[in-house]
Amino acid sequence: RKEVEQDPGPFNVPEGATVAFNCTYSNSASQSFFWYRQDCRKEPKLLMSVYSSGNEDGRFTAQLNRASQYISLLIRDSKLSDSATYLCVVNLQRDSGAGSYQLTFGKGTKLSVIP
Amino acid sequence: ETGVTQTPRHLVMGMTNKKSLKCEQHLGHNAMYWYKQSAKKPLELMFVYSLEERVENNSVPSRFSPECPNSSHLFLHLHTLQPEDSALYLCASSQGGRGYGYTFGSGTRLTVV
Repeated sequence: RKEVEQDPGPFNVPEGATVAFNCTYSNSASQSFFWYRQDCRKEPKLLMSVYSSGNEDGRFTAQLNRASQYISLLIRDSKLSDSATYLCVVNLQRDSGAGSYQLTFGKGTKLSVIP
Repeated sequence: ETGVTQTPRHLVMGMTNKKSLKCEQHLGHNAMYWYKQSAKKPLELMFVYSLEERVENNSVPSRFSPECPNSSHLFLHLHTLQPEDSALYLCASSQGGRGYGYTFGSGTRLTVV
């Protein structure tokens, strides 16, 4: 089983639509969860962190279900500028004392918002 | 403008060449990373340096050799690469053991011919 699995995509949606991305992770010891956004031929950038209580940032809502090991991202009122690949990212924070950590990335789901 | 700078942006090299990728972070972070991104694959962690010590090497072939001379600079030395090593190589930095503030550079797009 893949460590972080996402919807295969691509998602092609009209402007103004609501779109939801799903993600599952295999390691129940995972500590932190994120959604990153990657534009074509650019580096990934943090979109938002994901908390068990759910969190919202404008048109974006992220949810985490630890029992099901499931993460979601909802985008409301899609804009053309939302077109990108959305990466589900999980952190297995290590208690190494080294002050570093690893992020495990999903393959990403490509979103195209169409005029 | 990113706080993590990578050079060069693009690199074409032959299989017998030796080249180096450079990464510099201006964020005061204490950990730096090399990731590889190939088409249709998730980002793969290659190396992690924390406080200038290598703390992770994810079974990367020896033709890739990292170097971290100080907490702001990270290099990836390349030699006798294979065409399948063609990919986007991303450097990142972070502060401490938290998931926030993990910043990527723009990457080096490497083509091995």
